[in-house]
Formats: sequence, structure tokens, C-alpha cells
Amino acid sequence: AQTVTQSQPEMSVQEAETVTLSCTYDTSESDYYLFWYKQPPSRQMILVIRQEAYKQQNATENRFSVNFQKAAKSFSLKISDSQLGDAAMYFCALNSGNTPLVFGKGTRLSVIA
Amino acid sequence: DAGVIQSPRHEVTEMGQEVTLRCKPISGHDYLFWYRQTMMRGLELLIYFNNNVPIDDSGMPEDRFSAKMPNASFSTLKIQPSEPRDSAVYFCASSLLISTGEQFFGPGTRLTVL
Repeated sequence: AQTVTQSQPEMSVQEAETVTLSCTYDTSESDYYLFWYKQPPSRQMILVIRQEAYKQQNATENRFSVNFQKAAKSFSLKISDSQLGDAAMYFCALNSGNTPLVFGKGTRLSVIA
Repeated sequence: DAGVIQSPRHEVTEMGQEVTLRCKPISGHDYLFWYRQTMMRGLELLIYFNNNVPIDDSGMPEDRFSAKMPNASFSTLKIQPSEPRDSAVYFCASSLLISTGEQFFGPGTRLTVL
């Protein structure tokens, strides 16, 4: 079975600082994809970043980057230079095999001005 | 493309009434997913379709829930009769493939059953 665990229900960060959100996962597949989705108060689910398991290089998208540790089955999201607009729920998700995404429970991020 | 379209955005109904939620996926996407989001249970996959055919409905909570996809550009999720515990945000998402995982979500329908 595939599982995704986000152990931090809530996090907070000062504006302009850096924060890291944790995610661990489990799958028996060797080929899979990992995602971070952002859900702001508008509730729209927005894809933030994606990582292919076969790629060793960590994905980056502007201020967002991941630390992908395949052996440890860890996939953390780092947000640099945090902005007020980064305040949202963040979901880690796993896709492996021909099955839909499996989501974690989410981490609520607050940004303090 | 306008993205995934859902209607209505908000629905308030009384217990026992029939509720129909609608979704238009992104054109060309072969997969359509229905999710339910609550504080207690997070995001739950209810059902998904491939080329208009239901593939896995094991997440549908009970017989009061049904979903259809009569064509590639339209799907409905129906609850009959509705109950207060069905109150949640219901998302529709679509994707081109299932193996690469990236799904595009609609804005969601907030359902309140009184």
C-alpha cells in the first residue's frame, strides 16, 4: 500500500525567513512521482513542485525547492524568503503505478508579518 | 483552456434533499477524479474515471452517493438523500495520464447540508 505522512499539522514562519515542511512516504514501486500542492484560503489546489523518483537532482521552482531523500523515503519542501501569500495548507502527494495520487493530511503554514 | 470547471461553487440544502454536483474536466484529459475534503478526514478520493468509465469507486462512502460521466466533457456526483455529515468541499480533478500523477483541480463545491 502507498502511504504519505505529514507529521506537522501546523507550522509558522516569519516573513522573509525560510521554512521546511516534512513529508515521508512509502511505496513498493521503484518508479514514482512526488508532488507538493498548495491550498490557499480560496481552497483552489495549486501544484507547487514535482519530483520524479528516478531523478537524483532535487526539483526547484523559484523560492520553492525539495529535499528528496529516496533511501529514507523523505520529501521535504523548503520555502525561502517566505511571503504572506505563502500562507496556505500544503499537501504532499505520491503517485506510483497506475493508481491515483495519495495525499497526506496536510500542513497548515502561517506567515507572520 | 479554462481549467477544470465545477458548479455550483456553494450549495446549501436541507437534509433529505437530492444534491447534484457538476464537473467539466480539461479538454483532452482522459482521467477524472472526485474528492471530498473535510477537516477530520482530509482529502478522500471518492471515485475516478478513465475515458468515461468508472475504474474505482471504493471510496464512495455509501449507496447514497453516485457518480456518472456520460461523455468526455461532463461528470456529475449525486447525493440522494443528503445528510448533514455529507457537508464538505467536493473537488473534481482531471489528468492526462495516471502514471505521472499530475492532477488539475477545480475550485471545489462547498456543500452544506442543514
